[in-house]
Amino acid sequence: GAVVSQHPSWVICKSGTSVKIECRSLDFQATTMFWYRQFPKQSLMLMATSNEGSKATYEQGVEKDKFLINHASLTLSTLTVTSAHPEDSSFYICSARDSVSYEQYFGPGTRLTVT
Amino acid sequence: AQSVAQPEDQVNVAEGNPLTVKCTYSVSGNPYLFWYVQYPNRGLQFLLKYITGDNLVKGSYGFEAEFNKSQTSFHLKKPSALVSDSALYFCAVRDMGDDKIIFGKGTRLHILP
Repeated sequence: GAVVSQHPSWVICKSGTSVKIECRSLDFQATTMFWYRQFPKQSLMLMATSNEGSKATYEQGVEKDKFLINHASLTLSTLTVTSAHPEDSSFYICSARDSVSYEQYFGPGTRLTVT
Repeated sequence: AQSVAQPEDQVNVAEGNPLTVKCTYSVSGNPYLFWYVQYPNRGLQFLLKYITGDNLVKGSYGFEAEFNKSQTSFHLKKPSALVSDSALYFCAVRDMGDDKIIFGKGTRLHILP
């Protein structure tokens, strides 16, 4: 089946630094990818929709200058958390939509801890 | 805009008993409906989906869900619960004319041995 990978699986960074999370579709092309955020014991909140070769579409309340999304190829989207603060600590999950089948597949998630 | 409601934060079921996890939805058009399961510190695992056709959908690990258009519900069911079914379950919806999958808040399922 289709596989979506995320790297790193977990990361600890200091407050004020930036962190990049990669999302890759391993065996299919994904024109569209999605980034979700999950707080402990809470649901997944959609942050943004990433389209290959164009600007991401952010959900209301998500700071686009803080959460930079780049979708430079059909198999890779990146989320960069800039000037991270402890309140950015969360579980970030990406999802990739197969350009042919339109099926959507989820990555295993990245746990970010900002100290 | 689409939305999903999971009215129960937690459901407790004795092992071997049938289980039901409730979900209702709201969309402007025709819905695509999904159930996912999440184990601690893990990503989402797909269980099943409804797109069109038969209202009873069978999925992974013996789970099934019934689409009820009049009640706008998509409850998850299993005839006989296992302790290993204990996890966090998410119902999700996508409006047919939209890109986004929106999730409910999740229901924690505890299967008691």
